[in-house]
Amino acid sequence: SQTIHQWPATLVQPVGSPLSLECTVEGTSNPNLYWYRQAAGRGLQLLFYSVGIGQISSEVPQNLSASRPQDRQFILSSKKLLLSDSGFYLCAWGGQDSYEQYFGPGTRLTVT
Amino acid sequence: SQQGEEDPQALSIQEGENATMNCSYKTSINNLQWYRQNSGRGLVHLILIRSNEREKHSGRLRVTLDTSKKSSSLLITASRAADTASYFCATVPSGSARQLTFGSGTQLTVLP
Repeated sequence: SQTIHQWPATLVQPVGSPLSLECTVEGTSNPNLYWYRQAAGRGLQLLFYSVGIGQISSEVPQNLSASRPQDRQFILSSKKLLLSDSGFYLCAWGGQDSYEQYFGPGTRLTVT
Repeated sequence: SQQGEEDPQALSIQEGENATMNCSYKTSINNLQWYRQNSGRGLVHLILIRSNEREKHSGRLRVTLDTSKKSSSLLITASRAADTASYFCATVPSGSARQLTFGSGTQLTVLP
């Protein structure tokens, strides 16, 4: 069966520090991969999606970037965090021929 | 941008009662999905309804879709305390790739 992992689960970082969040998927190949951010009490905002290695599409201009160095690995990064980057970050995967998405447990990021 | 909007924002019912949540969206869609999120966790896919379907059932869940009104409803019958969670609708716009656009969610509380 397929599983999706995210780490770390929680992170507290000072303003101006770098960020690296990692997401890996097991049990499937060539998945579509997604990064979302959720503000407190709100819905999800799509940040990046990837249909293959090295293929990244950005949905909103921001302080963040994403990379997909391997088929089942998706990384969210920032060179310098802003206070507004605080939130709950969720990674998800979906099949190439289906519409459902399957989410990881999320990373709670607090920028201080 | 958030295409879907759920109504109500919060709903509190007694165990055994039915819970109905509504979702409205703005553009034509390929399909609409409902997800559930327990507090501080990732989202879980519940059900998908295609644009040419009007009603779908899965266990205690019943979803309806009215494309002329651009709206959907999720009915949970015989609710249980374990159904307490946030529920989100998400749409896949017609002609798009497999990105989801999420609403802001309904917080359901089922009192024992």
